[in-house]
This record gives sequence, C-alpha cells and structure tokens, in this order.
Amino acid sequence: EVQLVESGGGLMHPGGSLRLSCAASGFMVSDNYMNWVRQAPGKGLEWVSVLYPGGRTFHADSVRGRFTISRQISKNTVSLQMDSLRPEDTAIYYCARGLGSDTTGPHLYWGRGTLVAVSS
Amino acid sequence: SYVLTQPPSVSAAPGQTARITCGGDDIGTKSVHWYQQKPGQAPVLVVYGDSDRPSGIPERFSGSNSENTATLTISRVEAGDEADYYCQVWDDDSDHPAYVFGAGTTVTVL
Repeated sequence: EVQLVESGGGLMHPGGSLRLSCAASGFMVSDNYMNWVRQAPGKGLEWVSVLYPGGRTFHADSVRGRFTISRQISKNTVSLQMDSLRPEDTAIYYCARGLGSDTTGPHLYWGRGTLVAVSS
Repeated sequence: SYVLTQPPSVSAAPGQTARITCGGDDIGTKSVHWYQQKPGQAPVLVVYGDSDRPSGIPERFSGSNSENTATLTISRVEAGDEADYYCQVWDDDSDHPAYVFGAGTTVTVL
C-alpha cells in the first residue's frame, strides 16, 4: 500500500529555516515524480516543487531560490528545505507522488500534510 | 505565467448534473487534471489526462477539454460530492516550467 507521511512542520519566525520530510512506503521515491503542494489557510492549492526520477527539479516562482526539494534514497524520503521563510509561506504542506512516467502527469497519492506557520 | 480560471461556485440538486469549467489560453493543447478536496482532507485525484479516471473513482465523474475550456462533469450528483474542485495543468511554455492550479470551485448540493 502506498503511504506518504509528512513531518517537520511548526511555528517559525520570518527569515528562519525549516526542513520538511516526507516518508514514503509501498514504492521507491527514486522511481517516481515527487512533489510538494501547499495550501494557505482558507485558500486554494499551490504547487511548490517537483523532483524527477532522474534528479531534475523545478520550483514555483514564489519559492525559487529559497526552497529546495531533495531525496534521501537510503531512507526512502523526500525533503523540502525551506530558507528565508516569509509569513506568506504559512500553509499546510502536502507531499504528493505522481502517476506514471509522464512529466505532465497528475498527483495520484497525497499525504495528510504538515502545518507550517511563519509569524513574528 | 499560465492562468487557469474557474468559477467560484457551482450548485446542483441531487440527481442533477454539475459542470465545472476551467479556462485557459489554448488549454485544449494541455493535459488537464482535476482534484476533489473535502474540508480537512487532502485532495483526491478524480480525473487526469483530460478524461481518464483513477481506479475507484465513479463513472459519474467525467472530463473533457477543447480549445480554451476544460470541463469536469459530475452526473447524478450526490450529497457526498459536495467539495472544492481544482483543475491543474503542467505549463512548460516558459523558462521555468511549473504546475498550475485553478483557484478552485466549491460545489454545493442543494
């Protein structure tokens, strides 16, 4: 059974750093398209980052240069390193796995999310 | 960057049909995915690749995509279909490819 479990969320001050982790089971993160998607309180979904099986990464304009997605193959986890945090980064952060081998494919499996709050 | 436009809300009586549109420039040339999200829950993929359904999604959910509008159709609407629905595409027409979500549509079952 495919499972994704996020962890690492919390309350941070602006300018701080945080590292989110997504523990995967039932499949190998290295063989799949892995994404982070966030949702600010009461708002819609916003895609954050993707990591391809081949290692290529893309990030949304709003986080490029501040956030970095990576994977730890030995632990079968995906991480999101978040630096220079801003209040507008406050959101539930979901880890999501893609469907198949299509670079334009959807996010089929989702975790339950972890809450990140950025406030002074 | 690419913009997807959804109506804020759609309503339908039980047993009727709800149609949710997703507008975008030449969206018919892109692969559109649809997600359902109920309060306090993670999103669930209901349609991908314009019109395919993942395993376990009822046939009542269907999708189409042409020219500048993609549509998610919910036939024989049930109370359990009440949720927010989001469309999504992969936009690779720029220096920085990215997934784009629509702002979401709240479906109310009357």
